[in-house]
Amino acid sequence: EAGVAQSPRYKIIEKRQSVAFWCNPISGHATLYWYQQILGQGPKLLIQFQNNGVVDDSQLPKDRFSAERLKGVDSTLKIQPAKLEDSAVYLCASSLYGGLGPSADTQYFGPGTRLTVL
Amino acid sequence: QQPVQSPQAVILREGEDAVINCSSSKALYSVHWYRQKHGEAPVFLMILLKGGEQKGHEKISASFNEKKQQSSLYLTASQLSYSGTYFCGTGPSGNTPLVFGKGTRLSVIA
Repeated sequence: EAGVAQSPRYKIIEKRQSVAFWCNPISGHATLYWYQQILGQGPKLLIQFQNNGVVDDSQLPKDRFSAERLKGVDSTLKIQPAKLEDSAVYLCASSLYGGLGPSADTQYFGPGTRLTVL
Repeated sequence: QQPVQSPQAVILREGEDAVINCSSSKALYSVHWYRQKHGEAPVFLMILLKGGEQKGHEKISASFNEKKQQSSLYLTASQLSYSGTYFCGTGPSGNTPLVFGKGTRLSVIA
């Protein structure tokens, strides 16, 4: 079974530029998550989708971050404009059921995109 | 509320045992354990749901004490492949997002 796919794996941009990340979850998984992981920290949830609807985006900095999951499959996360403090690894995860709730369902992570903002 | 993990780091020799703790100030519905190697995705180890059950995965097992609002991960007869950072993620209810701790860095040396 293929895992969660993400691209690109690495991205270096200058502050105030825009960047987009792509995620393809495990086939058949209803729920998709975007996490931000700053060096030395655990992952922090940015947004959760169930199918193509947003379930939780309370920690997404909406003035600069946006995300969509068209057709309930793959997803893109965009940052516009980027700040120095956005340097982090952006992890995508997916889980099968979603209806059980994110704390009851096993989440499978992709390899992440390492973003460096100069 | 972010769970607190202890210790922050530990160094073991092959064959030694270790315990990693994860404590929360809130009542817990579930605890998830992941291992992450440098530059790689977190890999799922196990999930423990409310009920105090203990689970095992090869020589790695975990317990969940609801009353104490904590979970412990037990690594026995450690192998070099166990090296990495271990994260716990906790949720006070099924419908709330997971909140991850800062991680415990485990190094196993020959």
